[in-house]
Amino acid sequence: GAGVSQSPSNKVTEKGKDVELRCDPISGHTALYWYRQSLGQGLEFLIYFQGNSAPDKSGLPSDRFSAERTGGSVSTLTIQRTQQEDSAVYLCASSPRLAGSAGTEAFFGQGTRLTVV
Amino acid sequence: AQSVAQPEDQVNVAEGNPLTVKCTYSVSGNPYLFWYVQYPNRGLQFLLKYITGDNLVKGSYGFEAEFNKSQTSFHLKKPSALVSDSALYFCAVSITGRRALTFGSGTRLQVQP
Repeated sequence: GAGVSQSPSNKVTEKGKDVELRCDPISGHTALYWYRQSLGQGLEFLIYFQGNSAPDKSGLPSDRFSAERTGGSVSTLTIQRTQQEDSAVYLCASSPRLAGSAGTEAFFGQGTRLTVV
Repeated sequence: AQSVAQPEDQVNVAEGNPLTVKCTYSVSGNPYLFWYVQYPNRGLQFLLKYITGDNLVKGSYGFEAEFNKSQTSFHLKKPSALVSDSALYFCAVSITGRRALTFGSGTRLQVQP
């Protein structure tokens, strides 16, 4: 597609339920990132995938969070047993190679607004 | 570790006046610096970046930024603000070989007519 696509755009879930957020990166981009943007906060790095390398999961806030990337393309971020503090906008981004490497910028999707009630 | 600071939560400016959104960084190597803009209910849009070379970088929508190594700053500027520039602005930094971009907390720019 022309840009990074995320679905759903909005998700309301009950506390304790599991949710899956999807990201379709720009075709051909080898790097994919997940960030979290809480109200009034900056962007918090969660995880990134680069080609066939093992993902960097160092930003995941707890073991309730996981992500996978199938076939080097679509990625799913899963949050188990959601808590109210998980409410945020989850942003996905992709880049032709590691963003920041040699000044490569990342291209962002419009995000998924998650509300845990 | 790499970090970015945006000291102002909000900047207010009148339309037609010059604007500056401040950013300072801390890295252990040579930085790559970026500015992104976020309009309401939208994702982040890339504005400009500094890699190397000329300290004054020009980007989209008439924005520019000046890299100052001695002050470790990368302030975003525009000579004449428009109401449509009102948005949330993020500064980001990375260095060679590091994982992902590290973002500042964001600065909300309000341009009054």
